[in-house]
Amino acid sequence: AQSVTQLDSQVPVFEEAPVELRCNYSSSVSVYLFWYVQYPNQGLQLLLKYLSGSTLVESINGFEAEFNKSQTSFHLRKPSVHISDTAEYFCAVGERNTGFQKLVFGTGTRLLVSP
Amino acid sequence: DGGITQSPKYLFRKEGQNVTLSCEQNLNHDAMYWYRQDPGQGLRLIYYSQIVNDFQKGDIAEGYSVSREKKESFPLTVTSAQKNPTAFYLCASSMQTGANVLTFGAGSRLTVL
Repeated sequence: AQSVTQLDSQVPVFEEAPVELRCNYSSSVSVYLFWYVQYPNQGLQLLLKYLSGSTLVESINGFEAEFNKSQTSFHLRKPSVHISDTAEYFCAVGERNTGFQKLVFGTGTRLLVSP
Repeated sequence: DGGITQSPKYLFRKEGQNVTLSCEQNLNHDAMYWYRQDPGQGLRLIYYSQIVNDFQKGDIAEGYSVSREKKESFPLTVTSAQKNPTAFYLCASSMQTGANVLTFGAGSRLTVL
């Protein structure tokens, strides 16, 4: 079975600083990888996903993540954060196999952006 | 607009009472899910359903029940057997095949008094 580790429960940064949110996964088969974002008292929204092809994936609001198979990682980065990026971020992994499969989520990283 | 509607958004319950959380989707998705979210624990899967009239237990199904009588609807009942029901509950859906990209509802916060 797959698993996901987000080692940082909270990451405080100043506005316009770069940030990296770490995600490592474990799986015996090849995987799909996702980052979801959750704003207070809301559901989760898909931020970006790696399904196949280029290992570097980008979101429309400046986040990017790189699939690193050798390090089993999918870290999320942004070169310059805004106050509005304050939210909780969840990494998730799904196993690539035939038929139905379930996502497993990490415990989340709360990004706190201050002026 | 297509999406998932969860209701109620906030719910208070006395100990010993059952409560049902509603989840409706108009995305024509085959699969539906219920997750429980607690601070510092991420999302844990309660139940999921791949097709109508069929559902499977997730990782923390004890004290919960579901039904899937219609493709659009997947209600969750939190029973009195659930020892610690205070939590944020999230419903999600996805296409049956391929990469499992989930679409989430806005959530329901249940507080047991």
